[in-house]
Amino acid sequence: DTAVSQTPKYLVTQMGNDKSIKCEQNLGHDTMYWYKQDSKKFLKIMFSYNNKELIINETVPNRFSPKSPDKAHLNLHINSLELGDSAVYFCASSQRVTGNGELFFGEGSRLTVL
Amino acid sequence: QQQVKQSPQSLIVQKGGISIINCAYENTAFDYFPWYQQFPGKGPALLIAIRPDVSEKKEGRFTISFNKSAKQFSLHIMDSQPGDSATYFCAAKGGSEKLVFGKGTKLTVNP
Repeated sequence: DTAVSQTPKYLVTQMGNDKSIKCEQNLGHDTMYWYKQDSKKFLKIMFSYNNKELIINETVPNRFSPKSPDKAHLNLHINSLELGDSAVYFCASSQRVTGNGELFFGEGSRLTVL
Repeated sequence: QQQVKQSPQSLIVQKGGISIINCAYENTAFDYFPWYQQFPGKGPALLIAIRPDVSEKKEGRFTISFNKSAKQFSLHIMDSQPGDSATYFCAAKGGSEKLVFGKGTKLTVNP
């Protein structure tokens, strides 16, 4: 059973297009995250939702819009894609307050913008 | 502002050797220090973690050493194996705040 699953695993698209990545966790966690990992492997947090409420919104362009329909799902929509958006996007979940802080990551969605 | 500084950026070790990765932090409110391991094409996964009330934690061949006064912690991998080749991230957080990651160390263990 996959704990944190995200789809699709690969996206290849042209500049200016819009794309979405979906994430689901079956761990019963109350908090979900989107991280961006660039070509240098640096992990940068983008957003975090706790029980469907946005709690972390780092300096991310408005073209990125997360949506959490329920606490088990967190989707990421990206408008007007740019070359610099090429990266691996990781979804993660944790139990924020009562947990030990451990993040569980999905396998990533590699976005390539041409 | 990078709150967790990790070094080295890359590390090459021979099989059977000891791999050592170091991290330093500034925020004294941090109270949880995990290490994550990431294999190519996979997401990071928790390897081992420590809280500041102990100076060392060992799990198998992996040991975290923690120096609260120096605000430093390190990962030691004993008897390093080719299967340990991966990118390692240190991280830190305080309370319910976000986890802050170091920039990662790419470890290569040669057979």
